[in-house]
Amino acid sequence: DIQMTQSPSSLSASVGDRVTITCRASQSISRYLNWYQQKPGKAPNLLIYAASSLQSGVPSRFSGSGSGTDFTLTISSLQPEDFATYYCQQSYSTPPTFGGGTKVEIE
Amino acid sequence: QVQLQESGPGLVKPSETLSLTCAVSGYSISSGYYWGWIRQPPGKGLEWIGSIYHSGSTSYNPSLKSRVTISVDTSKNQFSLKLSSVTAADTAVYYCARVYGRNFDYWGQGTLVTVSS
Repeated sequence: DIQMTQSPSSLSASVGDRVTITCRASQSISRYLNWYQQKPGKAPNLLIYAASSLQSGVPSRFSGSGSGTDFTLTISSLQPEDFATYYCQQSYSTPPTFGGGTKVEIE
Repeated sequence: QVQLQESGPGLVKPSETLSLTCAVSGYSISSGYYWGWIRQPPGKGLEWIGSIYHSGSTSYNPSLKSRVTISVDTSKNQFSLKLSSVTAADTAVYYCARVYGRNFDYWGQGTLVTVSS
């Protein structure tokens, strides 16, 4: 299985901050990388697919980049509704696997 | 709007079989796409269990393959999960989701299944 490692596991930030989350794959996955946001008690919500494509309805302050083994999710200006846990997921091979998550908390 | 809703027992005894159903509305399963199950132990990350196509073709996580069966009922527009010989390690929130291309774009709200005697 391809292992996905996210960093940091948690971070504290303020409204308006630029936030970057990193995801690293244990082998090259081209651009088969997706990002999800999960709020407490809710299902994950797809934000970014194919490394950098914004899912319909997702605010443009979210962006993704990377290819191969290293990827980033950036929130350009953190909003109150963005405090949540973020997961990356590789879709290069079966089984699809998720990173351990990054919890974004209020500073 | 595509909606998914999980249903099934919230408590299962050790060694028994966990059974869940996912009802889909707003989209006909027969029209295409894979449909999957993902679980999340309390306070932990996400694990893909398996997926099924409307034709019945399945794909399972090798770590669970010996215990998992996913089936589809297109007449009821739903698909189901069976996980046998459960232990406390199978306690989790179980989600159903649509597989769009290579990602999960619509999810159910999730249902907590606790394995305990």
